[in-house]
Amino acid sequence: DAMVIQNPRYQVTQFGKPVTLSCSQTLNHNVMYWYQQKSSQAPKLLFHYYDKDFNNEADTPDNFQSRRPNTSFCFLDIRSPGLGDAAMYLCATSRDFSTTRSNEQYFGPGTRLTVT
Amino acid sequence: AQKITQTQPGMFVQEKEAVTLDCTYDTSDPSYGLFWYKQPSSGEMIFLIYQGSYDQQNATEGRYSLNFQKARKSANLVISASQLGDSAMYFCAIVGRRGAQKLVFGQGTRLTINP
Repeated sequence: DAMVIQNPRYQVTQFGKPVTLSCSQTLNHNVMYWYQQKSSQAPKLLFHYYDKDFNNEADTPDNFQSRRPNTSFCFLDIRSPGLGDAAMYLCATSRDFSTTRSNEQYFGPGTRLTVT
Repeated sequence: AQKITQTQPGMFVQEKEAVTLDCTYDTSDPSYGLFWYKQPSSGEMIFLIYQGSYDQQNATEGRYSLNFQKARKSANLVISASQLGDSAMYFCAIVGRRGAQKLVFGQGTRLTINP
């Protein structure tokens, strides 16, 4: 089945130790998103790629970076994780940008990051 | 800019009853789309239903329907014949033409179905 895959599902890292989360998709969608979600809150968009064009949200800390080497894969790099970065990280894809259902976002299962 | 308001932080419903989850929105875009997502405790966000601003009829997807009242800027989700597996967080989201690269989510409603 076509889907969005995130690895690993659970990640433990140490304070200040760089960590990379990965996302892959078999939907061949143009857009890939990374969200941060803390407990009982709405997902917060960090950045997105439209094809190779990267768009950072204005309030995304510099500590967060992303790479999209090809259509299928997208990575979230946290350069120096702090305790406040512990959260669920959700990757999503959509076919396009629009107000129609083609903007339906397909989410992966998420990676729960713990910072010790 | 778009904004979603979900006024019910939590709801408790008896199994097999219908449940309505409230969502109001604010946008100045004439063209927009409204989405509902379900998030079980496992964490994955699951698409439920979509309503376009120009759609004449309310959207339905199986047991889910959307009560779309455009003049009131309301897009409530109705779940008929609730099941234990419906227990989850539910998020309403909007995408507007001017910000079509980004969904804006509400704060969510935690629904608990009691047996």
